[in-house]
Amino acid sequence: DTAVSQTPKYLVTQMGNDKSIKCEQNLGHDTMYWYKQDSKKFLKIMFSYNNKELIINETVPNRFSPKSPDKAHLNLHINSLELGDSAVYFCASSQAPRGSDGYTFGSGTRLTVV
Amino acid sequence: GQNIDQPTEMTATEGAIVQINCTYQTSGFNGLFWYQQHAGEAPTFLSYNVLDGLEEKGRFSSFLSRSKGYSYLLLKELQMKDSASYLCGGAGSYQLTFGKGTKLSVIP
Repeated sequence: DTAVSQTPKYLVTQMGNDKSIKCEQNLGHDTMYWYKQDSKKFLKIMFSYNNKELIINETVPNRFSPKSPDKAHLNLHINSLELGDSAVYFCASSQAPRGSDGYTFGSGTRLTVV
Repeated sequence: GQNIDQPTEMTATEGAIVQINCTYQTSGFNGLFWYQQHAGEAPTFLSYNVLDGLEEKGRFSSFLSRSKGYSYLLLKELQMKDSASYLCGGAGSYQLTFGKGTKLSVIP
């Protein structure tokens, strides 16, 4: 069983489209995250949720809207996609807010906007 | 916020030892993580230090000095499969902030 699974793995779409990425974790963790990794491989946090509540929004454009229907799921919807949104998006989860037992990452979604 | 700095690239020889340094400036520091990321894959957890000192796990060890805002990851008996990016991350409340990663190339 995959601990943190995200779909799709690859996503190619045109500018202006709206797309969603889904994430599910079966670890029983309370906290989930979205990270963006750009072409220079810098892994930057976008959002964190704890028990379905948004805790951190790191100055992400409001075209990005996360949704957490329950604490095992954190989906990411992106409106009006732009070329600069092309990146790998990683979902992650941790047990504690401080994540002292480590963050577990999904396998990533490679988004290409053309 | 957290400001994390680590070298961009390093090269080392198979069988050797390499040390990857990380410095950080942080408020609300809750520990220091090291992750390994192979090209095209997800980051995987290597170590976590919250107290000063050395934590050893097989061929990998991680060190932390909170007073100096300094950590290092030590890789012994390097293998070709250790070629990857190594990410230093500072834990805050509800977030883990990473440096830009050190790309390690292991050569024969």
